[in-house]
Amino acid sequence: DTEVTQTPKHLVMGMTNKKSLKCEQHMGHRAMYWYKQKAKKPPELMFVYSYEKLSINESVPSRFSPECPNSSLLNLHLHALQPEDSALYLCASSQESANTIYFGEGSWLTVV
Amino acid sequence: AQSVTQLGSHVSVSEGALVLLRCNYSSSVPPYLFWYVQYPNQGLQLLLKYTSAATLVKGINGFEAEFKKSETSFHLTKPSAHMSDAAEYFCAVSVGAQKLVFGQGTRLTINP
Repeated sequence: DTEVTQTPKHLVMGMTNKKSLKCEQHMGHRAMYWYKQKAKKPPELMFVYSYEKLSINESVPSRFSPECPNSSLLNLHLHALQPEDSALYLCASSQESANTIYFGEGSWLTVV
Repeated sequence: AQSVTQLGSHVSVSEGALVLLRCNYSSSVPPYLFWYVQYPNQGLQLLLKYTSAATLVKGINGFEAEFKKSETSFHLTKPSAHMSDAAEYFCAVSVGAQKLVFGQGTRLTINP
């Protein structure tokens, strides 16, 4: 069982909606990640937070807005998305100095 | 730049047969290498990792992988396939403490 918990598992939103994806981990990890995965493709890194500060933004459009309220929580705020943003969004975490990244079950997002 | 190449986007084996999924890496420094498995409609689960401690790495669910520097390979094997092994498998290399580069994935099908 994964120790990275994501909610909701499924989300359908319109292009004018504002919604959020949530992620929580209780492994004491200090780095948290958002990945995007399209069908039949590998995950693509979007954002990395390290000690609650944004350390990597892989040139993600501003309609995706990450937030790290504390070391256990990570949110991804969504606004004015496009249908091509429909994908599986994976949260992950790791120890700050370690290379091993642990993934959650993902949130399936459909933009209509 | 560090990268991984997975040979074969689709591998099909009979139940009870040997599973061999191929991964070759490109790295100018000793790499950290990983295999992840993704079951249908789920997130990524860590199968095993190579961090230079031992060249033969044992993972979960009976899988193992051998790091061969001379061949720049990190192939994943399992002696006897089970129906429950049907999934997508990703090889990945760490390109820093917080970045993974994934291969394109190999879909494993198990025939009864």
